[in-house]
Amino acid sequence: DQQVKQNSPSLSVQEGRISILNCDYTNSMFDYFLWYKKYPAEGPTFLISISSIKDKNEDGRFTVFLNKSAKHLSLHIVPSQPGDSAVYFCAASAVSTSGTYKYIFGTGTRLKVLA
Amino acid sequence: EADIYQTPRYLVIGTGKKITLECSQTMGHDKMYWYQQDPGMELHLIHYSYGVNSTEKGDLSSESTVSRIRTEHFPLTLESARPSHTSQYLCASRQVGSGTEAFFGQGTRLTVV
Repeated sequence: DQQVKQNSPSLSVQEGRISILNCDYTNSMFDYFLWYKKYPAEGPTFLISISSIKDKNEDGRFTVFLNKSAKHLSLHIVPSQPGDSAVYFCAASAVSTSGTYKYIFGTGTRLKVLA
Repeated sequence: EADIYQTPRYLVIGTGKKITLECSQTMGHDKMYWYQQDPGMELHLIHYSYGVNSTEKGDLSSESTVSRIRTEHFPLTLESARPSHTSQYLCASRQVGSGTEAFFGQGTRLTVV
């Protein structure tokens, strides 16, 4: 059962407009959420994170919003640039019953920013 | 800037061969991870380590094995490669503490023919 879901496999946005990537989760014990960006044949690179005690975190063009009641988070990119074209993964972290701390990743959303 | 390296980047190998995927980090991180990712799928944790001589299996069952003899080095070994092992393997490390992000290597794209 997938605990972190990214229901949109792809998204196309015009350059300069806003990109909104969505992520839903099922486990209320997740304490941190992270967004990673991945280019083909490269490893994921960290973009931005948010603690479960916050509802918004902003870093330059990137803002992450967390709605705990809906178990939903979103990544906003404003303005979108062609270099933002990549696959974006949502990840959540929690301590398991065995005491280990690890991430659960979504399946990713491929963003294409059109020039 | 992340200092975590994986070699080789690409590997095509015949069935039955033994292979070792290398992962090294220079950040002094205690926690290291191996993920497996197929196209269009999520990253699946296959192994992790919380320090020297500490290794655990992840959520996805894997026939690979790992070792952690030194803090900076976390190699993954397949004793007998099969076509079903074809995938991208990603190594990551992070500092101790909640909320700290993991840094990923560039990955190894393994193809077993």
